[in-house]
Amino acid sequence: SQTIHQWPATLVQPVGSPLSLECTVEGTSNPNLYWYRQAAGRGLQLLFYSIGIDQISSEVPQNLSASRPQDRQFILSSKKLLLSDSGFYLCAGGKQASIGLHFGNGTRLTVT
Amino acid sequence: GENVEQHPSTLSVQEGDSAVIKCTYSDSASNYFPWYKQELGKRPQLIIDIRSNVGEKKDQRIAVTLNKTAKHFSLHITETQPEDSAVYFCAASQLSGGYNKLIFGAGTRLAVHP
Repeated sequence: SQTIHQWPATLVQPVGSPLSLECTVEGTSNPNLYWYRQAAGRGLQLLFYSIGIDQISSEVPQNLSASRPQDRQFILSSKKLLLSDSGFYLCAGGKQASIGLHFGNGTRLTVT
Repeated sequence: GENVEQHPSTLSVQEGDSAVIKCTYSDSASNYFPWYKQELGKRPQLIIDIRSNVGEKKDQRIAVTLNKTAKHFSLHITETQPEDSAVYFCAASQLSGGYNKLIFGAGTRLAVHP
């Protein structure tokens, strides 16, 4: 079965510092991968999705970028964090032939 | 693009009562509607889903109904238990191109009181 690994679990970063969150997938090849953000007490906002290596689609203009250097690796980055980037970041994956979407355990980012 | 509205934002019920959460979507091309349960500080987990070619689906105490004409779908939980307390999210997507771009509602915080 498919497993989504995310790290770190929690992160506290100062405004203006860079960010790199990593997500890896186990148990399936060529997965579709997604980055979602959840602000405190809010719903899940789709940030990026990827259907293959170096194929990234952005859903909303923002201070973040995503990359997929390997089939099972999806990275969320920022050059300079803003206070508004604080939130719970969730990586999700799904098999291309399947509709199920499974989430990782998330990274709680606090920008101070 | 797709927009999903979810109501109510909070719901409080007594143990054993039923709970109903409703969602509406805007894109008539959407054809897949899952529901996720998120416990405090944890990841969302899929509890039930429905495709547009089906009007109703049931799994033990949980059921989902879909009205394509009105573009709304609902989650029904019967005989609620304290462990059902969590935040529930509905979502919608148009399955195409081999990927599943889910757009989520804002969530409903369900509290089940013993």
